[in-house]
Amino acid sequence: ETGVTQTPRHLVMGMTNKKSLKCEQHLGHNAMYWYKQSAKKPLELMFVYSLEERVENNSVPSRFSPECPNSSHLFLHLHTLQPEDSALYLCASSQEGLTSTRDTQYFGPGTRLTVL
Amino acid sequence: AQSVAQPEDQVNVAEGNPLTVKCTYSVSGNPYLFWYVQYPNRGLQFLLKYITGDNLVKGSYGFEAEFNKSQTSFHLKKPSALVSDSALYFCAVRDLWAGSYQLTFGKGTKLSVIP
Repeated sequence: ETGVTQTPRHLVMGMTNKKSLKCEQHLGHNAMYWYKQSAKKPLELMFVYSLEERVENNSVPSRFSPECPNSSHLFLHLHTLQPEDSALYLCASSQEGLTSTRDTQYFGPGTRLTVL
Repeated sequence: AQSVAQPEDQVNVAEGNPLTVKCTYSVSGNPYLFWYVQYPNRGLQFLLKYITGDNLVKGSYGFEAEFNKSQTSFHLKKPSALVSDSALYFCAVRDLWAGSYQLTFGKGTKLSVIP
């Protein structure tokens, strides 16, 4: 295992539901990331947090709302999603984040989200 | 802008044969290059990275990759494939000069090792 855990592993939700994805890293890293992985498309970076401060938001719709209460935990709050939001949502963490481009990101197992 | 291409959607190789998964990149400065592997229903696992120095990088599970600056390539290789190597492989690049911390991933190559 990589030291990054995600819950739940699978989630099915309706378009009017509100749910949250959780990520926890046990590596002592300072940066955490949310990625979206859709079929036949490259990984899309959604959000980056460095030392609990959001430093990147790649034009993600407001129906996705991240939260980073401390350097070990990252949440993705979901509300009024669309069927095209169905995907694998991956969390990652790294030691240095923005301060070094040599940084290696370590990924969790992902949450498979299905929006009905 | 940085980019990375994996020209093959799928690679099939017989067990015991050498394998190669191709990756080419485009950056404005010196590249940092990464390979990740994804097994079914799992997240990405880091295999190896090229920072600087030797063009041949050794990584996990017997994999290695060769950095070729003139051909802007970073192909992943293994001398003898195992059935358990069957997975999805992603190449990624981070451009040092661009000042961007973001990793740009390729679309992935599905490797099937045939017993």
